[in-house]
Amino acid sequence: AQTVTQSQPEMSVQEAETVTLSCTYDTSESDYYLFWYKQPPSRQMILVIRQEAYKQQNATENRFSVNFQKAAKSFSLKISDSQLGDAAMYFCASGAGSYQLTFGKGTKLSVIP
Amino acid sequence: GAGVSQSPRYKVAKRGQDVALRCDPISGHVSLFWYQQALGQGPEFLTYFQNEAQLDKSGLPSDRFFAERPEGSVSTLKIQRTQQEDSAVYLCASSLASNQPQHFGDGTRLSIL
Repeated sequence: AQTVTQSQPEMSVQEAETVTLSCTYDTSESDYYLFWYKQPPSRQMILVIRQEAYKQQNATENRFSVNFQKAAKSFSLKISDSQLGDAAMYFCASGAGSYQLTFGKGTKLSVIP
Repeated sequence: GAGVSQSPRYKVAKRGQDVALRCDPISGHVSLFWYQQALGQGPEFLTYFQNEAQLDKSGLPSDRFFAERPEGSVSTLKIQRTQQEDSAVYLCASSLASNQPQHFGDGTRLSIL
């Protein structure tokens, strides 16, 4: 069984600043993946970044990077140089060889011009 | 289009009616997933197909929910004798393989009156 916890229901950031979204997880799997998805009001879930648990190096995708702390079961998302288009719900998710994703409850990110 | 397509985008039904929701995955994607997203929550896994085989239906809330993918491509999620608690967004996702990133459709928002 897997659980994902996002403790920040809402966050806000000034445009061009940096923001970090928190996520903790629990899993009994030894081989698993972690994800951050973005869901704008249009509803389509868009993959932001993916991390394989066996990799020590933190994943990076342009302005998005993660801080993966395996021992602490922590997987935070850092957004640098925030843009208005980054405003959305952000979901942390975990998945294992059993394929189904387990999502957190989400963090609503607002970007202030 | 190249993405996952879901129809209808919105569905309103009276309590007790049957509904059918359609998902057209990305061409060539072997794996197909259905998720249910209640208002203000993260998506929750319903069921998983690998080609035409339904390998996991552990997330289906009751025997009123039924999913099929007869030719290994398009999938239909059917809900019989709908109840108010079935109101949610139903998301479909597909992936090349079970351990590859899932690509989501825009979802169907189901409202039961």
